[in-house]
Amino acid sequence: DIQMTQSPSSVSASVGDRVTITCRASQGISSWLAWYQQKPGKAPKLLIYAASSLQSGVPSRFSGGGSGTDFTLTISSLQPEDFATYYCQQANSFPLLTFGGGTKVEIK
Amino acid sequence: QVQLQESGPGLVKPSETLSLTCAVSGYSISSGYYWGWIRQPPGKGLEWIGSIYPSGTTYYNPSLESRVTISVDTSKNQFSLKLSSVTAADTAVYYCARVWFRYKVFDYWGQGTLVTVSS
Repeated sequence: DIQMTQSPSSVSASVGDRVTITCRASQGISSWLAWYQQKPGKAPKLLIYAASSLQSGVPSRFSGGGSGTDFTLTISSLQPEDFATYYCQQANSFPLLTFGGGTKVEIK
Repeated sequence: QVQLQESGPGLVKPSETLSLTCAVSGYSISSGYYWGWIRQPPGKGLEWIGSIYPSGTTYYNPSLESRVTISVDTSKNQFSLKLSSVTAADTAVYYCARVWFRYKVFDYWGQGTLVTVSS
């Protein structure tokens, strides 16, 4: 099974800050990686697919990068509505899909 | 606009079977795409449970495979989840979602339904 490890588990930041979250796969997954945003009491929302492609309607301050085993999600200028938990998901072993443990972005 | 809505009992007794249904609107299940179930224990992360194709082909998380059954009813445009022999560890919010096959990600999600396992 492919394990996904996110770091940090939480980060405190201020509005306007640049925030980068990391996701590491236990084996190479090419670019088969997605990022989701989840707010309390809500379903996850797809932000990024294929490691770096922005889902329709997602603000351009979100960007994804990486390939192989190491990936990043960057928020270039944190906005109040971006405080949430972010999850990565590998799709290399489809139909078996696994998520990272999540990174909570909190207000500093 | 694709919409998914989970339904089912919010309370299940230990050792019994959890049963949920996901009704899909705005898209015909029989037209394609995989459809999946994901769960999230309170305060924890996301866990993929399994997926189904309209043909009935299913794939399950190996850690749950012995207890899970996912089925589809194209005439009602819905798919269902059954999880047997539940314990308190199965208490979670259960989500249904559509799998965007080209990129193998979940692009549309239901709002989720909390299922508590307790006597």
